[in-house]
Amino acid sequence: GNSVTQMEGPVTLSEEAFLTINCTYTATGYPSLFWYVQYPGEGLQLLLKATKADDKGSNKGFEATYRKETTSFHLEKGSVQVSDSAVYFCASTDSWGKLQFGAGTQVVVTP
Amino acid sequence: SQTIHQWPATLVQPVGSPLSLECTVEGTSNPNLYWYRQAAGRGLQLLFYSIGIDQISSEVPQNLSASRPQDRQFILSSKKLLLSDSGFYLCAWSVSDNYEQYFGPGTRLTVT
Repeated sequence: GNSVTQMEGPVTLSEEAFLTINCTYTATGYPSLFWYVQYPGEGLQLLLKATKADDKGSNKGFEATYRKETTSFHLEKGSVQVSDSAVYFCASTDSWGKLQFGAGTQVVVTP
Repeated sequence: SQTIHQWPATLVQPVGSPLSLECTVEGTSNPNLYWYRQAAGRGLQLLFYSIGIDQISSEVPQNLSASRPQDRQFILSSKKLLLSDSGFYLCAWSVSDNYEQYFGPGTRLTVT
């Protein structure tokens, strides 16, 4: 079945540093891909998405490009803020439309 | 606009007691509904999903059950809680032609 692998955390960065969180997926067919963010004590929020190869999702300064050739959907942000501290989840759809989530990557941004 | 509610927000229950968590969606009809559990420091585990009333699928055998008494209401229950049932329970919804899922605020359950 489908699966999603993302880099383990925690990732600790200084404010204004560049952030990359790697995500790769295995799937039959062409899944849609998502990044969700979870702030402490809250539910998950959809951060961005891409539905086909070479699509770039972007939101709040975050970007991720759907790379079919490398089955990847890495999340990037050029200059992080303390408020970006959260857990980030990569997800892909399976053939029944359900989401398969990665294990989550905690990001800690220090002033 | 659509909103999703979960209650209670936090719950402390003794082992062996029953459980009922409620999730309600507003502003959409016939949503797909999901229950997830998130153990401390771990990822999301899909527990149940429902594509309509009387259509509930269980992803993993366990001490929990789900029901959908109304189109936009999803209930997670247990007759007897175990310590291992502690966690953060999240409800989510989506529409049939769109795979995006939207999550509620969650319920923090501690079984003592």
